Amino acid sequence: NAGVTQTPKFRILKIGQSMTLQCAQDMNHNYMYWYRQDPGMGLKLIYYSVGAGITDKGEVPNGYNVSRSTTEDFPLRLELAAPSQTSVYFCASSSDPTTGELFFGEGSRLTVL
Amino acid sequence: GENVEQHPSTLSVQEGDSAVIKCTYSDSASNYFPWYKQELGKRPQLIIDIRSNVGEKKDQRIAVTLNKTAKHFSLHITETQPEDSAVYFCAASIQAAGNKLTFGGGTRVLVKP
Repeated sequence: NAGVTQTPKFRILKIGQSMTLQCAQDMNHNYMYWYRQDPGMGLKLIYYSVGAGITDKGEVPNGYNVSRSTTEDFPLRLELAAPSQTSVYFCASSSDPTTGELFFGEGSRLTVL
Repeated sequence: GENVEQHPSTLSVQEGDSAVIKCTYSDSASNYFPWYKQELGKRPQLIIDIRSNVGEKKDQRIAVTLNKTAKHFSLHITETQPEDSAVYFCAASIQAAGNKLTFGGGTRVLVKP
């Protein structure tokens, strides 16, 4: 099992560009999440999904979009990148709420210049 | 929404001493309280968690206590070792509501040999 796989690991964007961060899990987990972690800070929830075809906003959704067409994949789309979106992005998955544990990917470091 | 405060932000201890990190939460409906450890440049990983029907839980050198009335919970690490040096995050969630974790700001723990 690879667990949660994120690509790319690093990316530099110019202001106004768009990109998609990919996230895939091979654990057949229904629940998936996108968090961002600013330097020296905790993680903030961007979007989450409780199953294929279902997504919902988290704490900081502005400037982002997600889709969940399959159980395995949960891509995060950044439209019109801004310097405030410079951060490390973590995708996570969980089998169901009662078990609790979130399994995180290795993170994607994004810099917007 | 939920708000989680974590203290201290940094903690330096001598090897073999104990370390205590404290968190408070605002939403009395929260019922799941995990702790994650994040080593430098790595993904967060669950080290221990506690649910609201339990007041204390221990796993070897790590213990967590929960006071639902006061809405605070704490992480205790005994006999600290250099490999305990990392950033620790507390979090809170309502498991039935998608288990969306709200994280504290993190505590950087340095264990000095």
